[in-house]
Amino acid sequence: QSVLTQPPSASGTPGQRVTISCSGSSSNIGSNTVSWYQQLPGTAPKLLIYSNNQRPSGVPDRFSGSKSGTSASLAISGLQSEDEADYYCAAWDDSLNGWVFGGGTKLTVL
Amino acid sequence: EVQLVESGGGLVQPGRSLRLSCAASGFSFDDYAMHWVRQAPGKGLEWVSGISWNSDSTGYADSVKGRFTISRDNAKNSLYLQMNSLRAEDTALYYCAKGDCSSTSCQAGYWGQGTLVTVSS
Repeated sequence: QSVLTQPPSASGTPGQRVTISCSGSSSNIGSNTVSWYQQLPGTAPKLLIYSNNQRPSGVPDRFSGSKSGTSASLAISGLQSEDEADYYCAAWDDSLNGWVFGGGTKLTVL
Repeated sequence: EVQLVESGGGLVQPGRSLRLSCAASGFSFDDYAMHWVRQAPGKGLEWVSGISWNSDSTGYADSVKGRFTISRDNAKNSLYLQMNSLRAEDTALYYCAKGDCSSTSCQAGYWGQGTLVTVSS
């Protein structure tokens, strides 16, 4: 069981906007920033969002992140078929003194 | 271009040991904390261990504490994970990750392709 809670699946049609939630606690999301990772099938994870809402160079602005209290969310607008992947949220946990991850959300583009 | 290349994985019997390596290039290795993150087959990501840029500080997940040891050699731009007393539940793809940290945030900025560890008799 993961420390951060994500829905196991999400779906949308091309062009739609989808959001993925991530719930934590005061020791992780509540006191530290959230990052999001995209894992395409058969590949290593890739940093998608850091510091709650910042995009690394090369990540399309269709991807956005937000955080409020002990929860965070990832939004993907203008959904494309190549967005079909697993998405993970993460945050540093002050109690565990390490990163904690969500269980991952499998995004399906219908 | 940042590159992280893991090696050392393989099939090992329960209770035995294995040492993973990660060769880094394309950045100033001795400026960054480094981490190991694993992914069991069909499962999610799990942080395993991290080490500061100068090896002064290390951390471990409870699941591996006392069995795994992280280390680095800045002269060789390399990160290591010594895994002892391996268990079936340690079976996973082990990723090396670069810790991109600022005063306000810390995230895994780059990941290697992983090395597979299978613990089975």
